[in-house]
Amino acid sequence: EGQMVESGGGLVKPGESLRLSCAASGFTFSTYTMNWVRQAPGKGLQWVSSINSRSSSIYYADSVKGRFTISRDNSKNSLYLQMNSLRDEDTAVYYCATWGKVANYWGQGTLVTVSS
Amino acid sequence: QAVVTQEPSLTVSPGGTVTLTCGSSTGAVTSGHYPYWFQQKPGQAPRTLIFDTNNKPSWTPARFSGSLLGGKAALTLSGAQPEDEADYYCLVACNGPCVFGGGTKLTVL
Repeated sequence: EGQMVESGGGLVKPGESLRLSCAASGFTFSTYTMNWVRQAPGKGLQWVSSINSRSSSIYYADSVKGRFTISRDNSKNSLYLQMNSLRDEDTAVYYCATWGKVANYWGQGTLVTVSS
Repeated sequence: QAVVTQEPSLTVSPGGTVTLTCGSSTGAVTSGHYPYWFQQKPGQAPRTLIFDTNNKPSWTPARFSGSLLGGKAALTLSGAQPEDEADYYCLVACNGPCVFGGGTKLTVL
């Protein structure tokens, strides 16, 4: 059974940076497109970014473009999200997830709080 | 980017049937949009309920089904159970960027 575990969340001030990690296990991580999805307190799901299996196709939501960078290391079964110039509105639980015909897995999320 | 619309809230009686819909501002939702449905219970992470319009992961109960209805993706729950009370989100066509619907809060009452 596949599993994904996020880490790296925490409390930061506006303008600071944070790097999230997601460790995958129990499935062939290297073959799937991976996503970061966030959920602000009391709000719905917002897709943040996606990266295909070879890191050759990367997409970002307009709200994070130029500030966030998604990456992956298939040798370590790991997904990352480098978040720079954080804003109050980036406060959310961040999930790593993959969805598709074969693999459908979500992590439990890591909370990022941006506040002065 | 498309705006994906869902009913903000719906109520169903225990044992009853309810249909949630998912529309796109760009036009009719088709099987080529590979619609997904995700369920999120309070305090839990989301999980995939339906993929590619009407396919189910192994954990999805048989009472849930996906379809296309009147130009929208649809999720039908037949024989609602108390444990089906949750938020439901659709996802239509990750053509590069992905867009979730705003979610439907389903109450079983």
